[in-house]
Amino acid sequence: GAVVSQHPSRVICKSGTSVKIECRSLDFQATTMFWYRQFPKKSLMLMATSNEGSKATYEQGVEKDKFLINHASLTLSTLTVTSAHPEDSSFYICSARSSWTTASTDTQYFGPGTRLTVL
Amino acid sequence: QQQVKQSPQSLIVQKGGISIINCAYENTAFDYFPWYQQFPGKGPALLIAIRPDVSEKKEGRFTISFNKSAKQFSLHIMDSQPGDSATYFCAASARTGFQKLVFGTGTRLLVSP
Repeated sequence: GAVVSQHPSRVICKSGTSVKIECRSLDFQATTMFWYRQFPKKSLMLMATSNEGSKATYEQGVEKDKFLINHASLTLSTLTVTSAHPEDSSFYICSARSSWTTASTDTQYFGPGTRLTVL
Repeated sequence: QQQVKQSPQSLIVQKGGISIINCAYENTAFDYFPWYQQFPGKGPALLIAIRPDVSEKKEGRFTISFNKSAKQFSLHIMDSQPGDSATYFCAASARTGFQKLVFGTGTRLLVSP
């Protein structure tokens, strides 16, 4: 149980285009989802916290107009990188936290990540 | 105060040996301490987690030792195997503020055959 999926796993796009990444909790409902960015051989950097039905909370230094987050349901959150540029190339990872007692409400389950390359 | 300091940055252990990774924190509001394992190109996977009401938790070959007074916790991997070669992250969260995880900087473990 507690599986989180991401789609796509890899995406290559041209500079100036927008890319949408989906994060789904497959077997549990998640009131809270998190989006991270990870550079090679570095730790995870939290970008934003997404709560179902409300606006995302962005970490300091993260451009909310560039990284649009939507958490439309208890099982789906999306990250859209708008007007992507080569410096946006990175590994993007989502995580989800269960809202019910079937799993610890503290535990975050991570998706497999999405490798974005902007040419 | 939000940082979690992790050491060592990298570690080489012989097969069958014990791998030990250490973390330290400052924020006394932290009350949940998970360890994640990450393979290249993959998302982190939860290994084991502990709360401050216990000093040790063991799951198979993985053990967390927790020292509340010193604000330190460590991961011990017994009988380390080549398949354990990965990057390990400690983390911490508090019950306030969406319970956001604060991650350590990671330890790259290589278990030699």
